[in-house]
Amino acid sequence: SQQGEEDPQALSIQEGENATMNCSYKTSINNLQWYRQNSGRGLVHLILIRSNEREKHSGRLRVTLDTSKKSSSLLITASRAADTASYFCATATGANSKLTFGKGITLSVRP
Amino acid sequence: KAGVTQTPRYLIKTRGQQVTLSCSPISGHRSVSWYQQTPGQGLQFLFEYFSETQRNKGNFPGRFSGRQFSNSRSEMNVSTLELGDSALYLCASSLEVPYNEQFFGPGTRLTVL
Repeated sequence: SQQGEEDPQALSIQEGENATMNCSYKTSINNLQWYRQNSGRGLVHLILIRSNEREKHSGRLRVTLDTSKKSSSLLITASRAADTASYFCATATGANSKLTFGKGITLSVRP
Repeated sequence: KAGVTQTPRYLIKTRGQQVTLSCSPISGHRSVSWYQQTPGQGLQFLFEYFSETQRNKGNFPGRFSGRQFSNSRSEMNVSTLELGDSALYLCASSLEVPYNEQFFGPGTRLTVL
């Protein structure tokens, strides 16, 4: 079963604009991670936010976590054509490394 | 450091055959997890190994099995292949501490005819 549900399912923006993607989950988590995948290749780890954190930044990425609403958002600022990819949120629960993924968001950045 | 490597990158098999996929984690990583990705079901957890022991298992039939060696390299095996086993199989490694980020390999694309 899917723990994470991303929203929207697809997003198309112009280069230079900001992209905001949302993720909701159902159960308590230890951390939430965002990954990027290009054209059916391997997943690239973007950022991890722990359950006791509310916001993290990494370069052009900003992630927020609201455990009371069981939701997270990923903001990509000043998007580039190279950001075109699928983005997944994944949650970790329990004392192991198992990740439960959402179905992903397809981001298209038009040059 | 070299990233996670997976071999082979592409495989074509026929129904009923079996297949073995290999994964070499990042040096120093002791946890290896396997995931199956299909268009219909998305990314699903298969199993995780740590120090040669299966620590967690997903909801897959017994045809899917795995193991981890003393050097942390891992293999997964699928026996009696079915058409529905066609998928991208991804391996991920992480440090031994729980809750760490996982680093994925490029995947093995398995096609079952």
